[in-house]
Amino acid sequence: AQKVTQAQTEISVVEKEDVTLDCVYETRDTTYYLFWYKQPPSGELVFLIRRNSFDEQNEISGRYSWNFQKSTSSFNFTITASQVVDSAVYFCALSERGSTLGRLYFGRGTQLTVWP
Amino acid sequence: NAGVTQTPKFRVLKTGQSMTLLCAQDMNHEYMYWYRQDPGMGLRLIHYSVGEGTTAKGEVPDGYNVSRLKKQNFLLGLESAAPSQTSVYFCASSYSINPEAFFGQGTRLTVV
Repeated sequence: AQKVTQAQTEISVVEKEDVTLDCVYETRDTTYYLFWYKQPPSGELVFLIRRNSFDEQNEISGRYSWNFQKSTSSFNFTITASQVVDSAVYFCALSERGSTLGRLYFGRGTQLTVWP
Repeated sequence: NAGVTQTPKFRVLKTGQSMTLLCAQDMNHEYMYWYRQDPGMGLRLIHYSVGEGTTAKGEVPDGYNVSRLKKQNFLLGLESAAPSQTSVYFCASSYSINPEAFFGQGTRLTVV
């Protein structure tokens, strides 16, 4: 079973629109970490955020914000006022404290295209 | 500060050929990982290492071998390449359980 589900395979928006990328995870551990990575067309993986299971505070970083809700096992990512440079594949990932040491379980990714 | 460096960045192999992908990190990290990325599949763990001289299988280990003879290096070997191993390979390292993982730039491998 998929531990991390990103139901949106592709999303297209026009510049300046807000967009939310969904991430639903599954774990039995009480201690775990959630991540978001960005993969631009150049191919590298860019770390965006890490959140541990004990910190449910939402976080905002510039145009990016994250909504962590343990009750629904979701860790959604919102880009406000999207820009063309936001076009990339975005991955949500889970790491479990009790699992294979430090390994990340990735979702299948969401391809975001922002049109000018 | 190089971080995690993968060599080579691109490679084309013929079916049956062998090759080794090198991952080097300069952050003194204990943990190192090899993932493969395939379209629509996200990244999947091939093998990992929790320290010099130790390795273990991940989710998709078949057809690959690894070695960690030095703490800073983690090698991924393909003994007899198959077209199914066409993929982008990422190496990652981390200093302890569950922190941010630092990724290399990836190696794009094509097996024809």
